[in-house]
Amino acid sequence: GAVVSQHPSWVICKSGTSVKIECRSLDFQATTMFWYRQFPKQSLMLMATSNEGSKATYEQGVEKDKFLINHASLTLSTLTVTSAHPEDSSFYICSATRISGSADTQYFGPGTRLTVL
Amino acid sequence: QKEVEQNSGPLSVPEGAIASLNCTYSDRGSQSFFWYRQYSGKSPELIMFIYSNGDKEDGRFTAQLNKASQYVSLLIRDSQPSDSATYLCAVNIGQTGANNLFFGTGTRLTVIP
Repeated sequence: GAVVSQHPSWVICKSGTSVKIECRSLDFQATTMFWYRQFPKQSLMLMATSNEGSKATYEQGVEKDKFLINHASLTLSTLTVTSAHPEDSSFYICSATRISGSADTQYFGPGTRLTVL
Repeated sequence: QKEVEQNSGPLSVPEGAIASLNCTYSDRGSQSFFWYRQYSGKSPELIMFIYSNGDKEDGRFTAQLNKASQYVSLLIRDSQPSDSATYLCAVNIGQTGANNLFFGTGTRLTVIP
């Protein structure tokens, strides 16, 4: 399958700081990437859709000024959690759509575990 | 009504048995269906996708799609303890391809040695 990487894999930060998470598609170009959040024992929650060269589309209830998304190239999207607070502690997962004829498929990165103290 | 529904489980099967995971969806126009496996603390990994009615086999896994009844299932033959995970059904609501996926809440499978 296609490879999507995330960096860092885990991060611990103090309340009020900003954290940047990178998502890269390593062996394909992705015009669309997605950012999800998952709290313990809960299902995936889509936060936003990141489109290369344009503004991200945020899901209802997700603050766009708090979760800044930049998709500057076909292989890189970044999520910045600004002024993080303990309630932002979660597992953040990105995914990218690999288009292959009629069988385009969404692949997930390994996730970034964020802990805000 | 949720777009994609799965029984949360847990579903327990003995090693070597067939595990059957089911998923229903609300949008009759959905075209693309995916099964992901998620181990605890890890991100989802794609098992297989299916677009056409009927069965699609890949090793020990078989996806079954019935668009008339709006359900998709995943069968795991010869279940192994390493298959113990949460299985997520994902459906592309109203569009083709893999964008705009709606995920079910997942079914937790435990394979008992």
